Amino acid sequence: KNEVEQSPQNLTAQEGEFITINCSYSVGISALHWLQQHPGGGIVSLFMLSSGKKKHGRLIATINIQEKHSSLHITASHPRDSAVYICAVIGTDKLIFGTGTRLQVFP
Amino acid sequence: EAGVAQSPRYKIIEKRQSVAFWCNPISGHATLYWYQQILGQGPKLLIQFQNNGVVDDSQLPKDRFSAERLKGVDSTLKIQPAKLEDSAVYLCASSLVRGGIEKLFFGSGTQLSVL
Repeated sequence: KNEVEQSPQNLTAQEGEFITINCSYSVGISALHWLQQHPGGGIVSLFMLSSGKKKHGRLIATINIQEKHSSLHITASHPRDSAVYICAVIGTDKLIFGTGTRLQVFP
Repeated sequence: EAGVAQSPRYKIIEKRQSVAFWCNPISGHATLYWYQQILGQGPKLLIQFQNNGVVDDSQLPKDRFSAERLKGVDSTLKIQPAKLEDSAVYLCASSLVRGGIEKLFFGSGTQLSVL
């Protein structure tokens, strides 16, 4: 079993829909990253969380340390949000990646 | 603030050839990572440097992969000889710890195709 699990693996949505991507982890962490990777592009760090909730534009990330779970929400989704979203946790001196969630938003 | 620079952006080689990738991290970032990302998978750590010392290279295939970070700044990753299964995106990242939290910055990656 992977130390960082994401769900769903693939997600399609219509423009305007509210989207949730989940991340569960089994190790102790000091922080969690949500990353975005566009096709052929590099990785951009969206959020870094150690507790609570963060919001940036239409993106919201939450983390529950006790439950070892984080969610990334996208409100009013848009085709330009189509990308792979990766959850990565900082374990003991090591960054552990989930396998990513591929999101496609159709107009 | 300038980002993490990587070159080349793309590289196509034949199997058994050698290839090298270069990474220039953000100035002042002590930690530098090289990741391999095979299509459809999450990034896999190859090596982690702290300044010019190696922290973790447990997943680096040392029979063919090597990496160095001279003077604790730029880094190069080399594959010699390359195999078909080395086709992947090679990502470099650097990080800075602020307030006890590590903040990561990624380069745009080098896409390697081994034919």
